[in-house]
Amino acid sequence: ETGVTQTPRHLVMGMTNKKSLKCEQHLGHNAMYWYKQSAKKPLELMFVYSLEERVENNSVPSRFSPECPNSSHLFLHLHTLQPEDSALYLCASSLRLAGGPDTQYFGPGTRLTVL
Amino acid sequence: AQTVTQSQPEMSVQEAETVTLSCTYDTSESDYYLFWYKQPPSRQMILVIRQEAYKQQNATENRFSVNFQKAAKSFSLKISDSQLGDAAMYFCALTGNQFYFGTGTSLTVIP
Repeated sequence: ETGVTQTPRHLVMGMTNKKSLKCEQHLGHNAMYWYKQSAKKPLELMFVYSLEERVENNSVPSRFSPECPNSSHLFLHLHTLQPEDSALYLCASSLRLAGGPDTQYFGPGTRLTVL
Repeated sequence: AQTVTQSQPEMSVQEAETVTLSCTYDTSESDYYLFWYKQPPSRQMILVIRQEAYKQQNATENRFSVNFQKAAKSFSLKISDSQLGDAAMYFCALTGNQFYFGTGTSLTVIP
């Protein structure tokens, strides 16, 4: 365990459903990230939060909505997803924002399947 | 633009042998950091090794070492005395204003 937990681990949802992914870090870090991992593609950075403020939104469709209520918790709210959104969604945290030596610590991911 | 390229989608190694995973990158930054991460099947991604670009000495962590060639923008990972538990996806990553990851190399360890 690296101190970053994600729930649920697996999620199957229809295109009209609304669901949320949860991430929690117990490391005292100030930055948190959402990544999308698809087969044979680099990890895609979706959102970055630093001290609960969103600092990065990499042209992610509005059907993905992040929320960071405090520095330990990060949510990804999902609605009206498409089948191509099926992927492994990874949460990560680091002491400070990426750009320096700080390692990112990853959660186990949520395997999302959109039917 | 910053990019990370891993040209070997799959590699295999005999148990107890040595294997080298390749990574090349491109960056306009003068100060940056390079990482190798390991993602075992259905398990969390964890850091294997980290290299500061300003350091000429190659980083080493037990059986894992890197060959960092700054001028060539190359950052390969060598795994010595391979073990069954080394089987995983390995990702090379570069920090700039964010983390940039390669597409990964799937390593199989043959008993």
